[in-house]
Amino acid sequence: SQTIHQWPATLVQPVGSPLSLECTVEGTSNPNLYWYRQAAGRGLQLLFYSVGIGQISSEVPQNLSASRPQDRQFILSSKKLLLSDSGFYLCAWSVKAGTGLNEQYFGPGTRLTVT
Amino acid sequence: GDSVTQMEGPVTLSEEAFLTINCTYTATGYPSLFWYVQYPGEGLQLLLKATKADDKGSNKGFEATYRKETTSFHLEKGSVQVSDSAVYFCALSDQLTGGGNKLTFGTGTQLKVEL
Repeated sequence: SQTIHQWPATLVQPVGSPLSLECTVEGTSNPNLYWYRQAAGRGLQLLFYSVGIGQISSEVPQNLSASRPQDRQFILSSKKLLLSDSGFYLCAWSVKAGTGLNEQYFGPGTRLTVT
Repeated sequence: GDSVTQMEGPVTLSEEAFLTINCTYTATGYPSLFWYVQYPGEGLQLLLKATKADDKGSNKGFEATYRKETTSFHLEKGSVQVSDSAVYFCALSDQLTGGGNKLTFGTGTQLKVEL
């Protein structure tokens, strides 16, 4: 069966510090990968998605970047955190489009607090 | 663009009460529709889905029917339990350029079930 891991689970970082969140998927190959952010009391916003190694698309302009160095690894980064980057970050995966299966499966999330 | 509107919470019910959480959507084309559930401090879990008009998704006693004429996907359960207390998200899926699919979420509805 497929599993998705995220770490760290929680993180407290000062403003201006760098960020690296990691997500890995097991039990599947060539997945689509996604980063979402959930701000307090709000829904989820898609930040980045990737359909393959080195292929990253951004949905919203922001202080963050993403990379996919391996097929099942997705990394969310920032060079300098802002207070507004605080939130709950969720990684998700799905199978390729065209299969009729388009649901996404989410990891446990990373709660980031920027102080 | 696509959007999902959910009833605001929190919704507080007694155990064994009937649950309805309303969800309506705006989308071009024919999206797939989903309900996800988020327990405190965790990621999102897929609860049920429907891929075309008049489809009924069901799981763990929850049901939702894809109503194209009213652009709705209301979640129902005949008898809720304390363990159903969570935040419920309605979402629709649409294709992204490049092969991924994007989930557009509602803001979530918190459900509290009391003894």
